[in-house]
Amino acid sequence: RKEVEQDPGPFNVPEGATVAFNCTYSNSASQSFFWYRQDCRKEPKLLMSVYSSGNEDGRFTAQLNRASQYISLLIRDSKLSDSATYLCVVNHYNQGGKLIFGQGTELSVKP
Amino acid sequence: NAGVTQTPKFQVLKTGQSMTLQCAQDMNHEYMSWYRQDPGMGLRLIHYSVGAGITDQGEVPNGYNVSRSTTEDFPLRLLSAAPSQTSVYFCASRPSPYVGYTFGSGTRLTVV
Repeated sequence: RKEVEQDPGPFNVPEGATVAFNCTYSNSASQSFFWYRQDCRKEPKLLMSVYSSGNEDGRFTAQLNRASQYISLLIRDSKLSDSATYLCVVNHYNQGGKLIFGQGTELSVKP
Repeated sequence: NAGVTQTPKFQVLKTGQSMTLQCAQDMNHEYMSWYRQDPGMGLRLIHYSVGAGITDQGEVPNGYNVSRSTTEDFPLRLLSAAPSQTSVYFCASRPSPYVGYTFGSGTRLTVV
């Protein structure tokens, strides 16, 4: 079983739609979590950290459920520019530099 | 700040050749990593470092060597290139284990 699993998608949505990405992780020792965005043939870029209490940044909301080992990202009022691959990432402090990436979920927002 | 700089951006190697992918960061980050990205496989950790002089293996270390003689530089060496090493390689750095990585723009390597 992969340590971080995401729905591979692709998700095809119209502009203005709300879209949710889900992610599960298998290692209960995972200590912090992130969502990254990756545009085609570019490097991943940090979108937001995920906190236990949930956090919001504009149209983006991230949630964490440690009991279920589940992370989510909600994008409201999606824009054409949101088209990208979204990567779920888990972090292990006691393993130094190890960030473990999910395979990513591709999003395509259409006019 | 330049951030994380990777060179070269593109490289074609013949099977059996060796080469070094360069990575440098100017943010004084202690933590650095190398990932490779293949279609359908996501980003996989090759090697990582928690400071100058300290390195460790990731998920897919075979065929690669690293060293960390300075905080700024973290080169990745391919010892004897194989077609299976055709991939996009990303270097990344971060100041502590509690935050996310900043990535370089990648090196696209083809081994023929």
